[in-house]
Amino acid sequence: SQTIHQWPATLVQPVGSPLSLECTVEGTSNPNLYWYRQAAGRGLQLLFYSVGIGQISSEVPQNLSASRPQDRQFILSSKKLLLSDSGFYLCAWRDEGNTIYFGEGSWLTVV
Amino acid sequence: DQQVKQNSPSLSVQEGRISILNCDYTNSMFDYFLWYKKYPAEGPTFLISISSIKDKNEDGRFTVFLNKSAKHLSLHIVPSQPGDSAVYFCAASVLNNDMRFGAGTRLTVKP
Repeated sequence: SQTIHQWPATLVQPVGSPLSLECTVEGTSNPNLYWYRQAAGRGLQLLFYSVGIGQISSEVPQNLSASRPQDRQFILSSKKLLLSDSGFYLCAWRDEGNTIYFGEGSWLTVV
Repeated sequence: DQQVKQNSPSLSVQEGRISILNCDYTNSMFDYFLWYKKYPAEGPTFLISISSIKDKNEDGRFTVFLNKSAKHLSLHIVPSQPGDSAVYFCAASVLNNDMRFGAGTRLTVKP
């Protein structure tokens, strides 16, 4: 069966520091992968999606970037965090039946 | 742009009664619709879906209705249980493209 795992689960970072959130999917090959963010009291905002290695589409211009160095690995990064980057970040993958499955989420607090 | 809208941020229902969560969309190209349930500090979990060729899909206590002419879908939960208390997200996609989410509705089922 397929599983998705992201880490770290929580982190507190100072403004201006870098960020790296990692996500891996097991049990499937060449999945579509996604990064979403849920800001406090808001819905799920699509940040990036990837249909293959090295292929990244960005939905919203921002302080973040994404990379897909391997088929089942998706990384969300920032060189310098802003206060507004705080939120709950979710990695997800999409199956052939058009359903998205989410990871456990990562709480980021920028202080 | 908000292509998927959940206009009710919260809903409170008595245990045993019906919960009706609503969702509207603007993109007539959407052909697949889903509902997700989310507990605090966890990733959303897939609940139920419906394709645009149907107007109803039922799974146990959960039924999703789709009205394409009105660009409206709803999730019915009957009977509602306290464990159903969570945030519910509506989502829509065009097949094999990215998925758009609503802002979510917080359901509280009172015992």
